Amino acid sequence: KQEVTQIPAALSVPEGENLVLNCSFTDSAIYNLQWFRQDPGKGLTSLLLIQSSQREQTSGRLNASLDKSSGRSTLYIAASQPGDSATYLCAVRPIGGSEKLVFGKGMKLTVNP
Amino acid sequence: EAQVTQNPRYLITVTGKKLTVTCSQNMNHEYMSWYRQDPGLGLRQIYYSMNVEVTDKGDVPEGYKVSRKEKRNFPLILESPSPNQTSLYFCASSLTLPGLAVNYEQYFGPGTRLTVT
Repeated sequence: KQEVTQIPAALSVPEGENLVLNCSFTDSAIYNLQWFRQDPGKGLTSLLLIQSSQREQTSGRLNASLDKSSGRSTLYIAASQPGDSATYLCAVRPIGGSEKLVFGKGMKLTVNP
Repeated sequence: EAQVTQNPRYLITVTGKKLTVTCSQNMNHEYMSWYRQDPGLGLRQIYYSMNVEVTDKGDVPEGYKVSRKEKRNFPLILESPSPNQTSLYFCASSLTLPGLAVNYEQYFGPGTRLTVT
């Protein structure tokens, strides 16, 4: 059974720091991995999608990498800002089985001014 | 604007009173699904649909029903809600099944916060 883990569950940093958010998954048989952002009381906004054949994706200050063989992904946030404060979730799309995303429980990020 | 919409956004109801949460997408997506989000448990899939008239159970389908009569709509039905169905519900959609498109991505609605007393 695929399991997705995000550690730590929460992180508080001062503004301007470069951040690395970690995501690990137990089964490398995935189609892709997706990083989301969730603001309090809001829905999920897709940040980056990495296909299983890709190693990384970039969007602005965000860079996500994927090492499928080791079951790891990282989301790198450059020059963090208070507006980056949110919960970040990673999710994998397993190959086979029912059609769904398997989510980690998320990491709550607070960037202090 | 491409989006997934849900209604209502907030709902407080009583045990046993049937309710429907609507979900609609304007992107001509084939695949739609429902998730619930609970503290400490994360997001779990309730039901999904790969196309019109094709639906299947996810991880936590008990107490829920769905229908897919039109491509754009995927309502979630609680025939007899119970307090353990108090949760934050999300509808999601995507263009195709996984592995069939390079830029496959899931889009999520804004969520429906349901409280059953």
